[in-house]
Amino acid sequence: EDQVTQSPEALRLQEGESSSLNCSYTVSGLRGLFWYRQDPGKGPEFLFTLYSAGEEKEKERLKATLTKKESFLHITAPKPEDSATYLCAVQARETSGSRLTFGEGTQLTVNP
Amino acid sequence: DAEITQSPRHKITETGRQVTLACHQTWNHNNMFWYRQDLGHGLRLIHYSYGVQDTNKGEVSDGYSVSRSNTEDLPLTLESAASSQTSVYFCASSSQRGSYEQYFGPGTRLTVT
Repeated sequence: EDQVTQSPEALRLQEGESSSLNCSYTVSGLRGLFWYRQDPGKGPEFLFTLYSAGEEKEKERLKATLTKKESFLHITAPKPEDSATYLCAVQARETSGSRLTFGEGTQLTVNP
Repeated sequence: DAEITQSPRHKITETGRQVTLACHQTWNHNNMFWYRQDLGHGLRLIHYSYGVQDTNKGEVSDGYSVSRSNTEDLPLTLESAASSQTSVYFCASSSQRGSYEQYFGPGTRLTVT
């Protein structure tokens, strides 16, 4: 059974204070690992897909990295508008179509 | 711009009633999904479809059904609503090709009293 564990559950940062969110996963053959951002009262918004260990992707102040067992979402010099819940999900290679298994998310708060 | 919409956005219903939540996408995606999101559980897959007339059960499908008569729509029906089905429901869609990322609707908050 595919499993995704995210840590910490919640993180408070001061504006400009860089940090990382962790996503540990177990899957029988990874097809892809996905990061989403979710604002209160809204649906998840797609951020990145990572496919193989060593891969990195960046978008503004966010950088996602992938190893064989975990992924990190690095947030550099965050701003209050980066406050949101960040979700990680995995897709197994043998899964037909595009079913995802999600973690419970990390709730990030960035104080001005 | 392509989008995915859900209706209603909020619904209050009574135990035992049948409820249908609508999901409509204009991405022309073959794959569509229904999730529920609850504190302590994250997003859990209810049902999914890979095309017209195709439907499959997810990990929490008991008490729910879906049907797919066209590419754009995947309505979710609660046959006899229970208080345990109070939740926020999200619909998503994805292409059969490419990177498989799913695009989500804005959600429906359902309360069963």
